[in-house]
Amino acid sequence: GAGVSQSPSNKVTEKGKDVELRCDPISGHTALYWYRQSLGQGLEFLIYFQGNSAPDKSGLPSDRFSAERTGGSVSTLTIQRTQQEDSAVYLCASSPYGGRGLGYTFGSGTRLTVV
Amino acid sequence: GNSVTQMEGPVTLSEEAFLTINCTYTATGYPSLFWYVQYPGEGLQLLLKATKADDKGSNKGFEATYRKETTSFHLEKGSVQVSDSAVYFCALSEENTPLVFGKGTRLSVIA
Repeated sequence: GAGVSQSPSNKVTEKGKDVELRCDPISGHTALYWYRQSLGQGLEFLIYFQGNSAPDKSGLPSDRFSAERTGGSVSTLTIQRTQQEDSAVYLCASSPYGGRGLGYTFGSGTRLTVV
Repeated sequence: GNSVTQMEGPVTLSEEAFLTINCTYTATGYPSLFWYVQYPGEGLQLLLKATKADDKGSNKGFEATYRKETTSFHLEKGSVQVSDSAVYFCALSEENTPLVFGKGTRLSVIA
């Protein structure tokens, strides 16, 4: 597609349930990023994939969060045993460069609400 | 670690007023600097960037100059419009590291 596609656009889940968020990057983009946007907290980096390299997981807030990227394309962010503080908008971005912040294209995000 | 600090909002201005949104950064090396904008109901978009000291990024009437001596990248526009109402994020990135964002500044422009 022409842009970064995220699904679902909205997700309401009960506390304690697991959720999976999907990101389809722009074809050919080697770098893929996940961010979390919470009210008053700006954009918080979660995880970064670059080509076939091991992902940079330094931003994941707890071991309940994990992500994978299959075949260098689609990525899934999984949150296990969701908590109310996980409620946020989860943004995915892809880039053809993988360095110095250039060429990022962001998706519209998944709004997660944990009740 | 690297960080970005930007002025807290919300900022409310009348149409045609002058806009400044302050942004300062902390970095271990020589980062590239960015301003992103998020219009209501839309995704995050790159507004402008500067990749080295003294560079000026500009777009849609907005400008920001990379000031290494003051570690700043303040966003300015001479005459804002209602359509500029949005949330603005300052960000930086060093080699092979993801973008680091500030907390965002909400701008409301009233007619």
